[in-house]
Amino acid sequence: AQSVTQLGSHVSVSEGALVLLRCNYSSSVPPYLFWYVQYPNQGLQLLLKYTTGATLVKGINGFEAEFKKSETSFHLTKPSAHMSDAAEYFCAVSDDDKIIFGKGTRLHILP
Amino acid sequence: GAGVSQSPRYKVAKRGQDVALRCDPISGHVSLFWYQQALGQGPEFLTYFQNEAQLDKSGLPSDRFFAERPEGSVSTLKIQRTQQEDSAVYLCASSLRDSSPLHFGNGTRLTVT
Repeated sequence: AQSVTQLGSHVSVSEGALVLLRCNYSSSVPPYLFWYVQYPNQGLQLLLKYTTGATLVKGINGFEAEFKKSETSFHLTKPSAHMSDAAEYFCAVSDDDKIIFGKGTRLHILP
Repeated sequence: GAGVSQSPRYKVAKRGQDVALRCDPISGHVSLFWYQQALGQGPEFLTYFQNEAQLDKSGLPSDRFFAERPEGSVSTLKIQRTQQEDSAVYLCASSLRDSSPLHFGNGTRLTVT
């Protein structure tokens, strides 16, 4: 079965600083990979996804992620954090007919 | 257009009561998923429908959990004889077809007292 590991349950960055949220997956074949964001009291929203092709994937709100097969990683980045980016972020991987989620990383933005 | 709608938004049940949680997916979406999200955790897969067929129920934690989607649209997740460990947010998601992105509802927060 597929799984994802998100390093760091909480990450704090200053407003304007680089955001880096780490995700590693376990898979012997290239999977589909996703990042979802969850704002308080809201459902999950898709930020971006990797299926095939270009390994650098751009998503909404200035986020992007790079698929690195050699490192089995799919880290999420944003060059400059905004206060509105404070939320919970989930990395996810496809596993046959379903999507498996990591435990999440809560991103705190410091003024 | 309308997104995935879940009701009720909040549900408080006494231990031992039965509950039913409803999900209205986006019209035309073939695939429907139920997830359970405990406090501070990621969503855990419960079950998956393609139209009215329940193709995967491997994530249902016990035989007290039952899901149906009789007409391939609205789905109901039923929990019988609720226990405190059932307290969680239950998320429904739909997608146009397999491997399409999931669209999530806002969830139903179930509290068992």
